[in-house]
Amino acid sequence: EPEVTQTPSHQVTQMGQEVILRCVPISNHLYFYWYRQILGQKVEFLVSFYNNEISEKSEIFDDQFSVERPDGSNFTLKIRSTKLEDSAMYFCASSGGVVVYNEQFFGPGTRLTVL
Amino acid sequence: SQQGEEDPQALSIQEGENATMNCSYKTSINNLQWYRQNSGRGLVHLILIRSNEREKHSGRLRVTLDTSKKSSSLLITASRAADTASYFCASSNEKLTFGTGTRLTIIP
Repeated sequence: EPEVTQTPSHQVTQMGQEVILRCVPISNHLYFYWYRQILGQKVEFLVSFYNNEISEKSEIFDDQFSVERPDGSNFTLKIRSTKLEDSAMYFCASSGGVVVYNEQFFGPGTRLTVL
Repeated sequence: SQQGEEDPQALSIQEGENATMNCSYKTSINNLQWYRQNSGRGLVHLILIRSNEREKHSGRLRVTLDTSKKSSSLLITASRAADTASYFCASSNEKLTFGTGTRLTIIP
């Protein structure tokens, strides 16, 4: 069964460093998302991406964040200068079909630890 | 106030019993989805109910949706120890807005 994959599973970085989190969505899906979950808190929407552009972003997704689909399979989240409060689980998700309102399939997440 | 509040926050029941979790949301939705998360793991999609549906079944899962009250419930029948996890509702208007979750513990 197709699934969303994410790498790395755990990333440790120093404050101020750039990190790139990688995701491979399900191959025939058209909509891609990033969410994050700070330890013990609810899952929060960051950004959605469709047709090679951002379709919606939250207030969390500031200028330090960017997303890219560099090729036909990868979907990346870049944090330019990490802060301590960026420590969280980051989940990639994708959904398919001709309408956006479908179930979203999540990857296993990348745990980001900023020291 | 936050969108998506589940209650109870935590629920412990004996294996074989039914578990009911409730969820409220704030704005109009296209659909509502329920997810499960094992500790420290990813989110597994369980079931999606569209705004024009009132009830949906999938295996041991039964979901109801009341758009007039902006609420939904998830019923897991004949619970098993493996059902122990956190359960989240997520209201959907393209992006998902997650609730705070119910931590369900099934006691063998």
